Amino acid sequence: KAGVTQTPRYLIKTRGQQVTLSCSPISGHRSVSWYQQTPGQGLQFLFEYFSETQRNKGNFPGRFSGRQFSNSRSEMNVSTLELGDSALYLCASSSTGTANTGELFFGEGSRLTVL
Amino acid sequence: EDQVTQSPEALRLQEGESSSLNCSYTVSGLRGLFWYRQDPGKGPEFLFTLYSAGEEKEKERLKATLTKKESFLHITAPKPEDSATYLCAVPGRGATNKLIFGTGTLLAVQP
Repeated sequence: KAGVTQTPRYLIKTRGQQVTLSCSPISGHRSVSWYQQTPGQGLQFLFEYFSETQRNKGNFPGRFSGRQFSNSRSEMNVSTLELGDSALYLCASSSTGTANTGELFFGEGSRLTVL
Repeated sequence: EDQVTQSPEALRLQEGESSSLNCSYTVSGLRGLFWYRQDPGKGPEFLFTLYSAGEEKEKERLKATLTKKESFLHITAPKPEDSATYLCAVPGRGATNKLIFGTGTLLAVQP
């Protein structure tokens, strides 16, 4: 069974540009969450989608957005990139609608560097 | 606001030297406490779920325990392959898969 796939794995952008990251969840999983991981802040929740609806959003500016498609694949977009957006962006999928088991399946992440 | 704090930030052990990692939490009604392992360049990998004080879970050299205010991850006779960042998390409120993570403990086990 294929795991969570994130593309691209690495990318370098300059300030002011925008970026789109993609996540394909495990087959059959309808929940997709996105996290930003930095050395100083750790894993910070960005947003969550379930059956194409955004259910939850973290404390990030409006430059961060996302969506989920009917096949459960998800994308996140960051516009007007800032140096502080450099991070590992992780996608996680789940077969359930709530974190009652705590078991999320993470991809390997997209490493974004903003110059 | 629910919070999770982990200590120490980093821990270096000799192979075979047992120790414990700490995760303290402040939540309004515990709905679960989760442990993950993260290897460099990889996403976190689920280890354990604990629901109530006194509960214990084991997997190979790892044992997770839970009290009313904190959780411990005990590592018995660690091996170099146990080197990783260990993260604990609690669930967000309501119908969500959101997890609130601590900043993790970076464990290095030297041969």
